[in-house]
Amino acid sequence: KAGVTQTPRYLIKTRGQQVTLSCSPISGHRSVSWYQQTPGQGLQFLFEYFSETQRNKGNFPGRFSGRQFSNSRSEMNVSTLELGDSALYLCASSPGGQETQYFGPGTRLLVL
Amino acid sequence: AQSVTQLDSHVSVSEGTPVLLRCNYSSSYSPSLFWYVQHPNKGLQLLLKYTSAATLVKGINGFEAEFKKSETSFHLTKPSAHMSDAAEYFCVVSDPGSSNTGKLIFGQGTTLQVKP
Repeated sequence: KAGVTQTPRYLIKTRGQQVTLSCSPISGHRSVSWYQQTPGQGLQFLFEYFSETQRNKGNFPGRFSGRQFSNSRSEMNVSTLELGDSALYLCASSPGGQETQYFGPGTRLLVL
Repeated sequence: AQSVTQLDSHVSVSEGTPVLLRCNYSSSYSPSLFWYVQHPNKGLQLLLKYTSAATLVKGINGFEAEFKKSETSFHLTKPSAHMSDAAEYFCVVSDPGSSNTGKLIFGQGTTLQVKP
């Protein structure tokens, strides 16, 4: 099976812009989780989607949002970008959300 | 509340010597515990997983970890380090409660340096 894929791999944006990141899970996996990785805060959970519904959410401001499509692909959106949003954004998929999560390569976002 | 503490931010070993990366966890339930590895500019790769079937868990690339409930520890070991083992290692906990679906709690990571 193909692994988790994320696009784009790299992004450069300026403050105030918005950005959309995409994640395609492993075939058959219905749960997609998103994480933010920064040197200062480490890896932090953003949210999880299952069957097009957000089931769980971390402690991030409302500027961070996501959605999931009927084919389980997921997108996350960050509006009004801030310098502190510069990070590696990782998505992970699992069959139902309680099992082992498999990670994509990440999207590295740089906000200038 | 769940939490994970990796006791060393940086570990340096010589090639061919044993590796020990230490992890303590805190959880209200019977947790699932994982070790993931991240090589530079790469995503996270699963090394091994504990889910109560056996306290000694064997993973890929010769790594193993032992779950000790009395010590709330889940230390990662390897008998002989290889240069390719140099990477960032994360100890991770997942509580199975229905309110925690899809959520992993990560330790701060341990950077493993392997010297020739």
